[in-house]
Amino acid sequence: GGIITQTPKFLIGQEGQKLTLKCQQNFNHDTMYWYRQDSGKGLRLIYYSITENDLQKGDLSEGYDASREKKSSFSLTVTSAQKNEMAVFLCASSISLLGRNTGQLYFGEGSKLTVL
Amino acid sequence: GDSVTQTEGPVTVSESESLIINCTYSATSIAYPNLFWYVRYPGEGLQLLLKVITAGQKGSSRGFEATYNKETTSFHLQKASVQESDSAVYYCALGDLNTGGLSGKLTFGEGTQVTVIS
Repeated sequence: GGIITQTPKFLIGQEGQKLTLKCQQNFNHDTMYWYRQDSGKGLRLIYYSITENDLQKGDLSEGYDASREKKSSFSLTVTSAQKNEMAVFLCASSISLLGRNTGQLYFGEGSKLTVL
Repeated sequence: GDSVTQTEGPVTVSESESLIINCTYSATSIAYPNLFWYVRYPGEGLQLLLKVITAGQKGSSRGFEATYNKETTSFHLQKASVQESDSAVYYCALGDLNTGGLSGKLTFGEGTQVTVIS
């Protein structure tokens, strides 16, 4: 089996600060994702990457940057934290077979962001 | 855009009782939607419970079943007799595996918190 490791688990920032979340997977999966979850709401896709050095915007990419420098890692940067912002960021990866994604995403435990 | 609506939680159900979590979808940009149920047990990460990629088919896992109904655009999750270990948050999701290639990106519902009491 494999694992998705997100760091840090908890992140506290100041308004206007640039904050970076990191994600590592040892599944050797091609595709990786960053989702954001606000309290009581569903997951919203921020960025995804189908291979090393690839980046694709999701529905919520404004205000974020992402980087996929290695197959096993995918980082997300909040470019300017918003005051009183609170959310959980979930990293995931998935496998493709015969050129088609299986739709089975493997998620990390999440990184909780609080902006003071 | 695409969207998923599911039963608003929290839902509390007694052990051995039946459970149904409603899920309806709107797939404006996907010709042949694929449907999923994901689950997050306490202390664990979100994981796939079951998926159905063809309309009219039924998926099942861990005693749960869901049938993909294209006419009613629904994918309700059901279990005839729940156990305390079924306490979790359940998410319905919509994707496009047919034309999405390697992306596998999914649209999730808001989640339904289910608590099973003894």
